[in-house]
This record gives sequence, C-alpha cells and structure tokens, in this order.
Amino acid sequence: DAKTTQPTSMDCAEGRAANLPCNHSTISGNEYVYWYRQIHSQGPQYIIHGLKNNETNEMASLIITEDRKSSTLILPHATLRDTAVYYCIVRAPGTSYDKVIFGPGTSLSVIP
Amino acid sequence: DTGVSQNPRHKITKRGQNVTFRCDPISEHNRLYWYRQTLGQGPEFLTYFQNEAQLEKSRLLSDRFSAERPKGSFSTLEIQRTEQGDSAMYLCASSFKEASVGEQYFGPGTRLTVT
Repeated sequence: DAKTTQPTSMDCAEGRAANLPCNHSTISGNEYVYWYRQIHSQGPQYIIHGLKNNETNEMASLIITEDRKSSTLILPHATLRDTAVYYCIVRAPGTSYDKVIFGPGTSLSVIP
Repeated sequence: DTGVSQNPRHKITKRGQNVTFRCDPISEHNRLYWYRQTLGQGPEFLTYFQNEAQLEKSRLLSDRFSAERPKGSFSTLEIQRTEQGDSAMYLCASSFKEASVGEQYFGPGTRLTVT
C-alpha cells in the first residue's frame, strides 16, 4: 500500500496561497488521495479527495500530477484559521483501514 | 450541532484501572471508526463498525481494548487494566457506507492520561 511523505512544517503569509505538497510515488491505480487537516485540540477535518483529475471545493483545490506520484493541496487565500496540521493519505475503496497511514503531516503556520 | 460527539473529553486514570469512552456518530451514518493519536503523530486506526457489526480490528488493538456498537448507533471503547502507554487522544469518526469512496467525519476526541 502506498505511503505518503510530506514536509514537516511550512509557513505562509496571511492572504497568500498555501501550497502543501505530498509525495505518493508508490500509489496504485485505484488509490485515491485524501487530505484532512487537524486544528489544535480538535479532531481531523476532511478537506478534499481525488483520483486523477484536479478537484476544487469551497475549502481548497487538489492538483494531482499526471503520473499521480505527487499532489498539492492549495488553500487559495490562507487565513489565520488555516493554521493546522495537514495530512495526506491514500486509500483504495474496499481496502483495509489498517493500512491507511496518516503520518505526522505538515504543520502549516499562517503568519499575519 | 449534528456532528460526531465524544464523552468524556478528558479522562485521567491510574494505571490498572478500566476506562470507557462513548462516541455518538452523525445520526444518518452507518459506519463508525475508532482511532488513537499520540502527540506529534497522525491518527492510527483501531477498529470500525458497520451498523452493529465490527468489521475490522487493527493488529495494533490489544486484548485489553474492546469496542461495541450494540444498536448500531452510539459506540463505546473500553480499555481494561490501563497502562501508561495507553495515554493518547482517542478519536471517533463516522461515515456513510462506502460506495466508491467515502470521507470520515471526526469527533473532538477523548484525551486519556494514565498516571
């Protein structure tokens, strides 16, 4: 099962776009990429997911490379409330949840 | 608020005691998941239910841990003979039955401290 690697931490100026990378070089053809975030002292919050095509919702955009070996979560206009740990995970439908590894994620600090 | 709720939010217990946590999922969700999270790490899967059936348990789940969802609504997670290594945040999540893909909605967690 594919694992993901993310930078440990990133800073972003308030109002600018935050681009959070994720490497999943061993991803399988039927594995989706999911992004969650966790604000301090809260449970993780689902953000977005995708398979091949780029996706956008009210929270963020997800850009997946053509070879699917990496992706980028984009927060178009970061606010202080976006300061959180961001997790990138991959999973195929129907596979064991025991094999889903969240990892330590990327700690994003949005700076005023 | 119709999100996932967990009680208690904090629990301090002495080593060797038993503890029980409760999770109330989003009412229309039929899947319920338990995770454990230690400081600086992401959540680790423990177990999940579809309705009242426990469909998967992690290899990490020791015999001291047991989870139930008797009527397919709320769930309880019990830890017997707690150890200091059990100190962690215990997260519950719920979702619809997986059709093609699904996203999980997490509760705020129960922080357990074993002294």
